[in-house]
Amino acid sequence: GQQVMQIPQYQHVQEGEDFTTYCNSSTTLSNIQWYKQRPGGHPVFLIQLVKSGEVKKQKRLTFQFGEAKKNSSLHITATQTTDVGTYFCAGTRDSGAGSYQLTFGKGTKLSVIP
Amino acid sequence: DTGVSQNPRHKITKRGQNVTFRCDPISEHNRLYWYRQTLGQGPEFLTYFQNEAQLEKSRLLSDRFSAERPKGSFSTLEIQRTEQGDSAMYLCASSLGQGISGANVLTFGAGSRLTVL
Repeated sequence: GQQVMQIPQYQHVQEGEDFTTYCNSSTTLSNIQWYKQRPGGHPVFLIQLVKSGEVKKQKRLTFQFGEAKKNSSLHITATQTTDVGTYFCAGTRDSGAGSYQLTFGKGTKLSVIP
Repeated sequence: DTGVSQNPRHKITKRGQNVTFRCDPISEHNRLYWYRQTLGQGPEFLTYFQNEAQLEKSRLLSDRFSAERPKGSFSTLEIQRTEQGDSAMYLCASSLGQGISGANVLTFGAGSRLTVL
């Protein structure tokens, strides 16, 4: 079955430092999404990437989708305490059969030290 | 309230009992998903519906789990003969599906936390 792996599992950064999490899929993806889950909360959608090599920015967050559509990254510039949470990537397998199953990675838990 | 609603929010039960969770999706969303999440893990796919049809079900899902979405609106997830390993947060999500590469953004509910003693 499809597997989505994320590294690192945990990241502790000083406020103001940058942060990057990486996501790799065992299969080619039709699209990849990123979600953020605050402590005690539920996952909240951040962004979706569809095209090979796509790069999208949201303020201090930069998202990339690999050329082979099997990997992705999220980079946060100058972290703030409000960035604390777990960041999940989630992919839909490009099976051509119209599957809409979204497989989540295990997430990267970000802690920001003020 | 226009979000995804789940109830009960918390359920404590004894091993061997049956439990049922309900999810009310965003009204115009045609897809509804059930996920399970344990501490320190990502959401694990259980099943999903397009309107009233259950289109996919995880191979990891035991026969003790069953989900329904009558009339394509709310959904229920029932776990029969609960085991301690079933303790988890059960998340429901809905989306407005618009084709294979179209928007399939999930809006999650707050979840139903199950504790099996």
